[in-house]
Amino acid sequence: EDQVTQSPEALRLQEGESSSLNCSYTVSGLRGLFWYRQDPGKGPEFLFTLYSAGEEKEKERLKATLTKKESFLHITAPKPEDSATYLCAVQAWRSGGSNYKLTFGKGTLLTVNP
Amino acid sequence: KAGVTQTPRYLIKTRGQQVTLSCSPISGHRSVSWYQQTPGQGLQFLFEYFSETQRNKGNFPGRFSGRQFSNSRSEMNVSTLELGDSALYLCASSLTSSGSTYEQYFGPGTRLTVT
Repeated sequence: EDQVTQSPEALRLQEGESSSLNCSYTVSGLRGLFWYRQDPGKGPEFLFTLYSAGEEKEKERLKATLTKKESFLHITAPKPEDSATYLCAVQAWRSGGSNYKLTFGKGTLLTVNP
Repeated sequence: KAGVTQTPRYLIKTRGQQVTLSCSPISGHRSVSWYQQTPGQGLQFLFEYFSETQRNKGNFPGRFSGRQFSNSRSEMNVSTLELGDSALYLCASSLTSSGSTYEQYFGPGTRLTVT
């Protein structure tokens, strides 16, 4: 069974204080790893897809990286508007048919204080 | 381009009742997935539909069912509601087709409260 573990559960930063969020995963064969941002009372907002170890993607102050066992979401010089829950999800290859479900971690609640 | 829409946004139901939630995907997206989100369990996959066919199903009881129409709109139904069904129900749409991986885009969710 696919498993995704995110750490820390909560992270509090000062504005401008860079840090990283971790997503460890166990899947039989990784099809894709996804990062989402979720604000309170809203649906998750897509950020990145990573497909293979060594891949990196950037968007504004965020950079996602992938290894064979984990992914990191690096936040550089965060601002208060970056406060949200960040979710990691994996999609695995399945033999004998299609399987497009996402398995999510429980998220990291990021708070950036001004 | 309009995003994923879900109706209603909020629902309050009583134990034993049934409920139907609706999802309209992004125009051109043919895959619709449903997820349940609770504080304790996080986001859990319910089922996925593509071209009116259920392609995959999560580990939920048979009280949870869904369907997809020819215009890709989808509905999910929960019968005999239990207190534990209180959750945010999220719909996600994707361009996914056979053999390809595409991002899933989520709607705002329907907040279901069972009393």
